[in-house]
Amino acid sequence: GENVEQHPSTLSVQEGDSAVIKCTYSDSASNYFPWYKQELGKRPQLIIDIRSNVGEKKDQRIAVTLNKTAKHFSLHITETQPEDSAVYFCAATLTGTASKLTFGTGTRLQVTL
Amino acid sequence: DAEITQSPRHKITETGRQVTLACHQTWNHNNMFWYRQDLGHGLRLIHYSYGVQDTNKGEVSDGYSVSRSNTEDLPLTLESAASSQTSVYFCASMKSSYEQYFGPGTRLTVT
Repeated sequence: GENVEQHPSTLSVQEGDSAVIKCTYSDSASNYFPWYKQELGKRPQLIIDIRSNVGEKKDQRIAVTLNKTAKHFSLHITETQPEDSAVYFCAATLTGTASKLTFGTGTRLQVTL
Repeated sequence: DAEITQSPRHKITETGRQVTLACHQTWNHNNMFWYRQDLGHGLRLIHYSYGVQDTNKGEVSDGYSVSRSNTEDLPLTLESAASSQTSVYFCASMKSSYEQYFGPGTRLTVT
């Protein structure tokens, strides 16, 4: 089955700096890679996703890049703000009837003033 | 507005008791999922369903069961609660575009 590794487990940046979270996956057939943000005590919320037919996707201050050859994908947050502080999870799946997501273990991002 | 809800939000139970966690979505999604979330493990899949009368085991299904009698609901049952099942449980449903949306979660404590 799929295995997703996520690094780092914790990340502290100063407000305004950039943050990068990296994930690697094991199943070369996986073709859908979402990122979720989870604030303390809240549900995970989808913030951005990418499919294997593109290498990069941007949405305002967040972007995701995908390297299919190396089987890794990354989340980039620019101009970080205190409200970006949360736990971020990456996931991977092969789309189809089930589309079971395999999640990474999460990265706790802290944005300090 | 369409949504996904879970109940109860918090539950304390004793070892050996049967517990059922409810999940209800109003999007009419066919695919629904149950996860547990524990520190250091992220979100792990317990069971999932493609539609009515269709259920499947995930990676951590031992001690859990689900049933799907209608599109809106996927209740999760702990047959005989164990302390190792103390966790936060999330239900999710999936749009046709593969985006999963999570419920607010149930915090279960087994004493």
